[in-house]
Amino acid sequence: NAGVTQTPKFRVLKTGQSMTLLCAQDMNHEYMYWYRQDPGMGLRLIHYSVGEGTTAKGEVPDGYNVSRLKKQNFLLGLESAAPSQTSVYFCASRNPQGDIPATNEKLFFGSGTQLSVL
Amino acid sequence: RKEVEQDPGPFNVPEGATVAFNCTYSNSASQSFFWYRQDCRKEPKLLMSVYSSGNEDGRFTAQLNRASQYISLLIRDSKLSDSATYLCVVNIGLAAGNKLTFGGGTRVLVKP
Repeated sequence: NAGVTQTPKFRVLKTGQSMTLLCAQDMNHEYMYWYRQDPGMGLRLIHYSVGEGTTAKGEVPDGYNVSRLKKQNFLLGLESAAPSQTSVYFCASRNPQGDIPATNEKLFFGSGTQLSVL
Repeated sequence: RKEVEQDPGPFNVPEGATVAFNCTYSNSASQSFFWYRQDCRKEPKLLMSVYSSGNEDGRFTAQLNRASQYISLLIRDSKLSDSATYLCVVNIGLAAGNKLTFGGGTRVLVKP
């Protein structure tokens, strides 16, 4: 009963390096999200996906790319890491209850990735 | 103006006391609302959904005021374990891609 699994949990990069964060969910959820959280701030949406093969930009997409080739996986890529991308990254998934949001649409989160860019 | 705003706090609460705080949202088309709890940089966890008629779950009560565009969370008989950051989440709906927008969080510290 894994739920949402994020890898890696911690990573230190040098400016300009690239990396990919993996999010995997085993609940057959349609929607998946990538958020970042900075000190004193809530979660800000980077990119999201409403189904396999689809992605969309969120609030802070610059410097990131995503892919959803398989329904259970949502990858977040940093092509050329910058110190401003130092943050905690959370992946989440949920199943929508039709077109109208319902009050029981719970978000399931991974445990987060602490990324530091030096 | 941010889409979802919260007082960051901290709210320092004596154990056993009642604390309440609000979350305002800017989009009148917002359709569903939630309170999440987050402990010390761990992943957020759903505390409760907010129904139009209000919602109560034990010591926690959530209410929605559509006219003034805010939701509230009230915690009665505060426990030390209630110390956390409470995140307000708003879903605008299909027109906005069913994105879930988070507020900045309200930090609550319950002290003996």
